[in-house]
Amino acid sequence: DVKVTQSSRYLVKRTGEKVFLECVQDMDHENMFWYRQDPGLGLRLIYFSYDVKMKEKGDIPEGYSVSREKKERFSLILESASTNQTSMYLCASSSSGGYANTGELFFGEGSRLTVL
Amino acid sequence: DQQVKQNSPSLSVQEGRISILNCDYTNSMFDYFLWYKKYPAEGPTFLISISSIKDKNEDGRFTVFLNKSAKHLSLHIVPSQPGDSAVYFCAASEMKTSYDKVIFGPGTSLSVIP
Repeated sequence: DVKVTQSSRYLVKRTGEKVFLECVQDMDHENMFWYRQDPGLGLRLIYFSYDVKMKEKGDIPEGYSVSREKKERFSLILESASTNQTSMYLCASSSSGGYANTGELFFGEGSRLTVL
Repeated sequence: DQQVKQNSPSLSVQEGRISILNCDYTNSMFDYFLWYKKYPAEGPTFLISISSIKDKNEDGRFTVFLNKSAKHLSLHIVPSQPGDSAVYFCAASEMKTSYDKVIFGPGTSLSVIP
């Protein structure tokens, strides 16, 4: 059974703390993504990666960074957490692009981050 | 500016009736469209997709219709079941790129009443 695993389901952090969110996929997918989900805004893309050590900014990269040292692992980093980063964070992966690809994303269960 | 719009935040339907969820997009370069379903405290799961070369795709109780000239797609669920109660996200991508960047709409919360 294919799986995307996010390290923490629930986190509570204080303003200014550094936060790491880890994501691991076991499908040998090239592409990995970090989204955040907020009510009324849907899923917004923060960063994505199409290869090891490669990263691309999504629509809302400010305040975030990412790391992809291994193909199966994609980490989201909040250098100095702020209250407006309280959200549900979703990691996803997909196989490489092209017309043969369905474009289907496989999501983890999400990490609910609260910044106080 | 949202490229994928779902103008109905919520929808209630009686069990056994048809559910119709609508989605509009602004980017004419989108050539692949997907619907995802999300239950609370779970990640979204893929439901059904359609390429821009088609105008209809069917999978069991779920049918997606695409009207490219109107930049509009809809998801029909027939018959609706209580287990269909979830948030439905419309999504779009430009498949010709190698990154498969997928843009999501804000979602529609469907409640199917027994």
